[in-house]
Amino acid sequence: AQSVTQPDIHITVSEGASLELRCNYSYGATPYLFWYVQSPGQGLQLLLKYFSGDTLVQGIKGFEAEFKRSQSSFNLRKPSVHWSDAAEYFCAVEAQGAQKLVFGQGTRLTINP
Amino acid sequence: DSGVTQTPKHLITATGQRVTLRCSPRSGDLSVYWYQQSLDQGLQFLIQYYNGEERAKGNILERFSAQQFPDLHSELNLSSLELGDSALYFCASSPPGQTQYFGPGTRLTVL
Repeated sequence: AQSVTQPDIHITVSEGASLELRCNYSYGATPYLFWYVQSPGQGLQLLLKYFSGDTLVQGIKGFEAEFKRSQSSFNLRKPSVHWSDAAEYFCAVEAQGAQKLVFGQGTRLTINP
Repeated sequence: DSGVTQTPKHLITATGQRVTLRCSPRSGDLSVYWYQQSLDQGLQFLIQYYNGEERAKGNILERFSAQQFPDLHSELNLSSLELGDSALYFCASSPPGQTQYFGPGTRLTVL
């Protein structure tokens, strides 16, 4: 069965600093990979996705993620965070044809002014 | 705004009761998915419907059931509610084999 690990439960960074959120997955083949963001009291918004092709994926709000097959990782990055980026971030995988997303436990991001 | 709507936004009820959560997918999406988000279990897939038929099942309790209607909206029915059923319930929709877009969720509180 697929599984997703987000090793960091909570990360605090200063506004303007760079950010990297880690995501590792366990699956026999290359799954589809996603990052979603959940602001307090809100639903899940898709930041970016990887299906195939270029391993560096650009998303909304200045986020990008890099798929590394050798490390089974799909880490999310942003060069300079803004206070509005404070939220919970979820990595998710979907086995091709599986029809369901498997989510990590989430990483809560706090931004210091 | 993802285009997926869910009603109600909040629901407060008592143990032993039954509730129905409603989801309207994005225009043209045939697939509807239900997920539960709780503090102890995180985000878990419950069930998927495609064009009115059940397509995939996850960790859905027997007390829970769902259906998708001819107009493609879906309902999640939760019965004999327990305190532990308190959670945020999300609906998502997608075209076949494509990205899932999530609604704003229904927050269920069981007292």
